[in-house]
Amino acid sequence: AQSVSQHNHHVILSEAASLELGCNYSYGGTVNLFWYVQYPGQHLQLLLKYFSGDPLVKGIKGFEAEFIKSKFSFNLRKPSVQWSDTAEYFCGTVFGGATNKLIFGTGTLLAVQP
Amino acid sequence: SAVISQKPSRDICQRGTSLTIQCQVDSQVTMMFWYRQQPGQSLTLIATANQGSEATYESGFVIDKFPISRPNLTFSTLTVSNMSPEDSSIYLCSVSEGGVGYTFGSGTRLTVV
Repeated sequence: AQSVSQHNHHVILSEAASLELGCNYSYGGTVNLFWYVQYPGQHLQLLLKYFSGDPLVKGIKGFEAEFIKSKFSFNLRKPSVQWSDTAEYFCGTVFGGATNKLIFGTGTLLAVQP
Repeated sequence: SAVISQKPSRDICQRGTSLTIQCQVDSQVTMMFWYRQQPGQSLTLIATANQGSEATYESGFVIDKFPISRPNLTFSTLTVSNMSPEDSSIYLCSVSEGGVGYTFGSGTRLTVV
């Protein structure tokens, strides 16, 4: 079955540390890929998305992600995190076809310590 | 991108009752979706709300428990029926906007007591 997995469930970093959150999907066809963020008490916000073209995608707030087709991965990165990046991060995938259903991974809770 | 209004934003309900959640979009959209986010968990897709036809439900969700209406291209409702404490969750409406991606409402926080 088509699925999305996030291996890091809880990450704790100090400010200025680099961040990489893993996201893998299981599907050999065309995919659209997303990263969303949910700050405490707030609703989901889109960080970045990949549909096609340059596999290195830059999003808001200094985040970027790289689509590596051979690894079925779309990892999220940020070179230097801030305390305000404390949030839950969700990887989402739309698998090829007409359904347009966005399926999420389990989420990664990031805590940045000042 | 589209702006989504969800009502109510939160509610506390007695077990055995039903709650209807409304989702209003400020523009016409083809694809609307309903998600559930249980405490401390990720978002799970409940169903795709289809305009003019029955909703398409994901595995584990049934129409009798989560009836959905989609009378036009800007509005949908989700009803949580015969509620139990296990239904306590955040319920979110989402729309697909092609190249823009998916926009989410602010959610309805439901507590069943």
